[in-house]
Amino acid sequence: NAGVTQTPKFRVLKTGQSMTLLCAQDMNHEYMYWYRQDPGMGLRLIHYSVGEGTTAKGEVPDGYNVSRLKKQNFLLGLESAAPSQTSVYFCASSGLTRLNEKLFFGSGTQLSVL
Amino acid sequence: GQQLNQSPQSMFIQEGEDVSMNCTSSSIFNTWLWYKQDPGEGPVLLIALYKAGELTSNGRLTAQFGITRKDSFLNISASIPSDVGIYFCANAGGTSYGKLTFGQGTILTVHP
Repeated sequence: NAGVTQTPKFRVLKTGQSMTLLCAQDMNHEYMYWYRQDPGMGLRLIHYSVGEGTTAKGEVPDGYNVSRLKKQNFLLGLESAAPSQTSVYFCASSGLTRLNEKLFFGSGTQLSVL
Repeated sequence: GQQLNQSPQSMFIQEGEDVSMNCTSSSIFNTWLWYKQDPGEGPVLLIALYKAGELTSNGRLTAQFGITRKDSFLNISASIPSDVGIYFCANAGGTSYGKLTFGQGTILTVHP
């Protein structure tokens, strides 16, 4: 039972480098999300998708781009990494529950930007 | 945007003790959610509350939806070492698509 799988688990970047975080879910969920977690700030929504081919901005979208070319995959891109993007990134998905509030999270990607 | 304030920020307790934490907001909500994050993992939904005054249990965990609809409470009875983690309140703010706003979290440490 894989659920939500994120790759990679750890990554170190230099300022200005680019990278893509991969998220895959095998639960046939319509909705997918990218959150970042910083100490003392909880989780903040970066971008989300309500279905294949759709994306929308969350609370903290600047410096990130996303794509949802296939229903099961949601990609998060950093075009030019900055130290402020050092964080733990979580992908999540949800199906058609009451308010889609039951999010299933991956185990996270720890990103350090030097 | 809406802000959820959790208290306390951290707790250090002995195994067997009961735990109480809360979450408050200046906004009124129709749903309150409690998630737990184990070390090195993503959060997992513990309890969802849908009505003011609602009291819901999940094993040793009990959560309540405040009467004012601006707060919620989570209690853990007879804590055990595996209760260690970060507890988050969260809210969808009445929107759909699971766009949750999370509180800052309460870090729970349980000493055997």
